[in-house]
Amino acid sequence: EIVMTQSPGTLSVSPGERATLSCRASQSVSSNLAWYQQKPGQAPRLLIYGVSTRATGIPDRFSGSGSGTEFTLTISSLQSEDFAVYYCQQYNNWPKTFGQGTKVEIK
Amino acid sequence: EVQLVESGGGLVQPGGSLRLSCAASGFTFSTYWMHWVRQAPGKGLVWVSHISSDDSNTYYADSVKGRFTISRENAKNTLYLQMNSLRDEDTAVYYCVRDHGYTGSLDYWGQGTLVTVSS
Repeated sequence: EIVMTQSPGTLSVSPGERATLSCRASQSVSSNLAWYQQKPGQAPRLLIYGVSTRATGIPDRFSGSGSGTEFTLTISSLQSEDFAVYYCQQYNNWPKTFGQGTKVEIK
Repeated sequence: EVQLVESGGGLVQPGGSLRLSCAASGFTFSTYWMHWVRQAPGKGLVWVSHISSDDSNTYYADSVKGRFTISRENAKNTLYLQMNSLRDEDTAVYYCVRDHGYTGSLDYWGQGTLVTVSS
């Protein structure tokens, strides 16, 4: 099983600032990496797939990068609605594993 | 509009069984892979199971293999998860999720149904 490790566990950021979230895979997942956003009491929402392709309706302040085992989600200028938990997921191998999540909170 | 509506959750004793259903609408259900993903209270996301569009292939997390069975009825636009021999650690919100283009990334999620395993 591929283990996905996210860092940091919690990120404190002021509105308008940039947030950088990291995700590391225990072995290569090629470009089969997605990011999800989850707000309290809500289902997750797909943000990014294929490392860097934004899902439908996702604003361009969200961007993804990386390859192989190291990946990054960047939120260029945090808006109030972006404070949430973010998960990475590899879908290169079965089982499809998630990271443990990074909580982005208001500083 | 894509909609996924889960039902069937509830309180069940350890060792018991439960069947979850997911009613799909707003897309051609029969052409999409589908998944179940769960989330224990206050915890992260865990992928549980997958089924191909024609139910010819299924996959399971090791933690549920041999106890859970995923199935679908394309004529009824419905996905199922039969859960047997339930354990305390199966307590979670269970999400029905659509696959994004035969990839394994997950583009539409239901609101989830809570399963509580407790005596």
